[in-house]
Amino acid sequence: GQSLEQPSEVTAVEGAIVQINCTYQTSGFYGLSWYQQHDGGAPTFLSYNALDGLEETGRFSSFLSRSDSYGYLLLQELQMKDSASYFCAADSGGGADGLTFGKGTHLIIQP
Amino acid sequence: KAGVTQTPRYLIKTRGQQVTLSCSPISGHRSVSWYQQTPGQGLQFLFEYFSETQRNKGNFPGRFSGRQFSNSRSEMNVSTLELGDSALYLCASSLRQGDYEQYFGPGTRLTVT
Repeated sequence: GQSLEQPSEVTAVEGAIVQINCTYQTSGFYGLSWYQQHDGGAPTFLSYNALDGLEETGRFSSFLSRSDSYGYLLLQELQMKDSASYFCAADSGGGADGLTFGKGTHLIIQP
Repeated sequence: KAGVTQTPRYLIKTRGQQVTLSCSPISGHRSVSWYQQTPGQGLQFLFEYFSETQRNKGNFPGRFSGRQFSNSRSEMNVSTLELGDSALYLCASSLRQGDYEQYFGPGTRLTVT
């Protein structure tokens, strides 16, 4: 099985940078995805890391370290619209666990 | 291209009843996964269907079942409803089985009284 740990809540200031961490324990791991979910909305895919290192997509970047079983999502130039829940999800490569999600980090942006 | 659609969006049922939820994936997507989302447990994987076959199953009782049709549309059934089944049920479609990039529908909010 797989389990993922991430902070339940993070607070940051508009215009600043925030990092959301995710640690995982897995019996089979292919990569780490990140999803964003606004209140009342559906989760939307942000990024995926299969290899160690940093992946950058605009203001969002995601990092993975397989040796440390650790990843993070970095959000730069925070905007009020970034207030949402962010989930990391472990991919087992189509294995029995499907896509396993962490419990989510609620990001609060203050003006 | 139309997104993932789920019906109904809201549902109120009584304990002991059964319920069927429907999901239509993005055109061309052959994989449909179902998730249960609750405030306490987050997003929990129920099962995944690909080419009309259940490929993966999460740790849920047998009361939770599903199927997929030849047009990739999927249904999820919960029998003998319990209060604890109250949740947002999300379906997600993807091109490939076990894909890390999934497209979620708006969900069905189920309330069991």
